[in-house]
Amino acid sequence: GENVEQHPSTLSVQEGDSAVIKCTYSDSASNYFPWYKQELGKRPQLIIDIRSNVGEKKDQRIAVTLNKTAKHFSLHITETQPEDSAVYFCAASLDTGRRALTFGSGTRLQVQP
Amino acid sequence: EAEVAQSPRYKITEKSQAVAFWCDPISGHATLYWYRQILGQGPELLVQFQDESVVDDSQLPKDRFSAERLKGVDSTLKIQPAELGDSAMYLCASSPPPRPSGNTIYFGEGSWLTVV
Repeated sequence: GENVEQHPSTLSVQEGDSAVIKCTYSDSASNYFPWYKQELGKRPQLIIDIRSNVGEKKDQRIAVTLNKTAKHFSLHITETQPEDSAVYFCAASLDTGRRALTFGSGTRLQVQP
Repeated sequence: EAEVAQSPRYKITEKSQAVAFWCDPISGHATLYWYRQILGQGPELLVQFQDESVVDDSQLPKDRFSAERLKGVDSTLKIQPAELGDSAMYLCASSPPPRPSGNTIYFGEGSWLTVV
């Protein structure tokens, strides 16, 4: 089955700096890569996703890049704000609607004001 | 906006007791998932349903866990007997039928289980 590794496990940045979180996956058939943000005690919320037919996707301060050859993808947050502080999870699956997401272990991002 | 409903939100149970969680997916979502999230870790799939059929339960500890979705709509996850290591958040999620634009899954608020 799919295996997703995520790093770093914790990341502390100053407000206004950029943050980068990286993930690798094992199943070359995976073609859907979402990122979730989870605040303490709450459900994971989808913040951005990318499919294998594109290499990069951007939404305001958030961007995701995908390298299918190397089987890795990254989340980039620019101009970080204190409200970006949360745990971020990457995930991967075969986007047929019949394969569940496999999640990474999470990155705790702390944005220092 | 439609949401995945879960209950109870919080449950404290004693070791060896039985506990059950209920989930009602977003209307029209044929695929339903139960994930377990231990504090500090990522969600791990327990079981996936397509309508009323189990698609994947390879990670479900079948000696104590069971899940059903009898009419292909709402679902129940049961643990009997509960063990201390079962303390976690149990997340239900659902996704719409597959489509070319992709397949986003939507999570419920989760059910927190504490086994004492």
